[in-house]
Amino acid sequence: KNEVEQSPQNLTAQEGEFITINCSYSVGISALHWLQQHPGGGIVSLFMLSSGKKKHGRLIATINIQEKHSSLHITASHPRDSAVYICAVSGETSGSRLTFGEGTQLTVNP
Amino acid sequence: DARVTQTPRHKVTEMGQEVTMRCQPILGHNTVFWYRQTMMQGLELLAYFRNRAPLDDSGMPKDRFSAEMPDATLATLKIQPSEPRDSAVYFCASSEQGQSSPLHFGNGTRLTVT
Repeated sequence: KNEVEQSPQNLTAQEGEFITINCSYSVGISALHWLQQHPGGGIVSLFMLSSGKKKHGRLIATINIQEKHSSLHITASHPRDSAVYICAVSGETSGSRLTFGEGTQLTVNP
Repeated sequence: DARVTQTPRHKVTEMGQEVTMRCQPILGHNTVFWYRQTMMQGLELLAYFRNRAPLDDSGMPKDRFSAEMPDATLATLKIQPSEPRDSAVYFCASSEQGQSSPLHFGNGTRLTVT
């Protein structure tokens, strides 16, 4: 079992739909990151959180430390949101080493 | 907009050749990471530095890979000799305070070893 598991692996949505991507982890963490990787390959850090909830534009990230679970929500999805979304955690004892999920491929159709 | 700069963007080389990848972290960032991404393994940490000192390079094959920070504005990753299994995208990332700060990624170097 991977230390970081994401679901779903692939997600196809229609423009305007509300999207949720889930991330579960099995280790104690100091922080959880949500990353976005576009088809061109570049990686962008969307959120880093260790508790609660963060919002940036149409993106919302939540984390439940007790349940070892985080969700990334996209409201009013748009085709430009199509990308791979990657969850990564830095463990309590692993320093700055990140453990990555396998990513969720999101496709938003017009 | 400050960004992490990686060169080259693409590199095609023959097996056995030396490959050097370079990274300029964002000015003021004291932590620099090297990651490798393949279809099979996803993203893996190769090495990281804080204040130019190597803190963890356990993810790196020591016999052929080496990572250095000659100064605060340059990080290098070398492979000598390169092998076809090294073909991957290599990302550099930097952050201000390590695990307590967001990561900023470069655009990556796509390496193909034939």
